[in-house]
Amino acid sequence: QQQVKQSPQSLIVQKGGISIINCAYENTAFDYFPWYQQFPGKGPALLIAIRPDVSEKKEGRFTISFNKSAKQFSLHIMDSQPGDSATYFCAASTSGAGSYQLTFGKGTKLSVIP
Amino acid sequence: EAGVAQSPRYKIIEKRQSVAFWCNPISGHATLYWYQQILGQGPKLLIQFQNNGVVDDSQLPKDRFSAERLKGVDSTLKIQPAKLEDSAVYLCASSLDLGQGYGYTFGSGTRLTVV
Repeated sequence: QQQVKQSPQSLIVQKGGISIINCAYENTAFDYFPWYQQFPGKGPALLIAIRPDVSEKKEGRFTISFNKSAKQFSLHIMDSQPGDSATYFCAASTSGAGSYQLTFGKGTKLSVIP
Repeated sequence: EAGVAQSPRYKIIEKRQSVAFWCNPISGHATLYWYQQILGQGPKLLIQFQNNGVVDDSQLPKDRFSAERLKGVDSTLKIQPAKLEDSAVYLCASSLDLGQGYGYTFGSGTRLTVV
């Protein structure tokens, strides 16, 4: 059972454009939703995260939008740059016993073309 | 601050052989995780340690996988015997403690190829 569904699988965006990646979850016990960025040969690195008590969080060019009723959240990358080309993973976890065990989506490979 | 160190970076073995991976977490991080990342998929948790005790190993295939964290610092993950489907990147991550979701740092991983 895939608890976090991520789309699209791949995304090509022109430099300066907006990249949008979507995720949906099933487990209503999830209460922490991070996004990770992974470059080839590297481990995932935390990009931005949100908790369900807010609907949006912005850090620089990166914004998470969260819809608790729809059980969906998305990552928006404004003014996308070639250096943003990487694989992005959404994830979710609970903060109960055994907290912060991350359940990841399958990833989105973003290519930003000049 | 030094990151999470893992070795080796790459390993190629034949099926039915054994292999071991090593992880040195960030100094002072009490919680350590091993994740398996199969090509084209997101990482999947295998085991979680708090200091030198196991918090959760429910997704660890215990018939062939084992892990230990001696003295609550370094950790080793072993596969014996390996199967073709074990080909993946094995990621180690650490955090300050169970409640530090924002302190989750991954190493660069060990890429295992089983032939």
